[in-house]
Amino acid sequence: NAGVMQNPRHLVRRRGQEARLRCSPMKGHSHVYWYRQLPEEGLKFMVYLQKENIIDESGMPKERFSAEFPKEGPSILRIQQVVRGDSAAYFCASSTRDRENTGELFFGEGSRLTVL
Amino acid sequence: AQRVTQPEKLLSVFKGAPVELKCNYSYSGSPELFWYVQYSRQRLQLLLRHISRESIKGFTADLNKGETSFHLKKPFAQEEDSAMYYCALRHSGNTGKLIFGQGTTLQVKP
Repeated sequence: NAGVMQNPRHLVRRRGQEARLRCSPMKGHSHVYWYRQLPEEGLKFMVYLQKENIIDESGMPKERFSAEFPKEGPSILRIQQVVRGDSAAYFCASSTRDRENTGELFFGEGSRLTVL
Repeated sequence: AQRVTQPEKLLSVFKGAPVELKCNYSYSGSPELFWYVQYSRQRLQLLLRHISRESIKGFTADLNKGETSFHLKKPFAQEEDSAMYYCALRHSGNTGKLIFGQGTTLQVKP
């Protein structure tokens, strides 16, 4: 089991461009979480998804940010019209189905977005 | 509101010294608390959870509901313990999402 895979590991964008970050959960995991880590800050929850459903997006900025987890393929965090303040490390985590969920999240290595 | 506070950004100790990484939480209900660790160039991983009452790599953490704390302790620090440590609270909505503290960097000097 390769673990949670995120790509790209590093992404550089100019202001106004779009950033797409991908996350493939661990095999057998149907829950995906996205977290953001700004410089000198801790991990902030953004969104929680199950296949084809957004369960909790209470941490997502109201504009420019969106997330999906389609039936097939990875989860995608999309940031439109990026600004310098979006520069951060974005972490994806996955977990198992509810009845097996011990609360443990398995994290990817993160995608570091730099906005010039 | 549910919140996790780690008051120390950096904790520096000498090898063999005791370590206590502080964590306080704000929560109405029965909390589920965790410690996660990130070693250099590795991904964030679970260290221990309070319901397991286990000791991992010599670390223990006791839930103190009166003080709303979940401090991480180790009697004798090792250099390989140097890492970033995050305390986390599982959200009451049972979505499984974790609310993290700001993290504490533990630096163990030789």
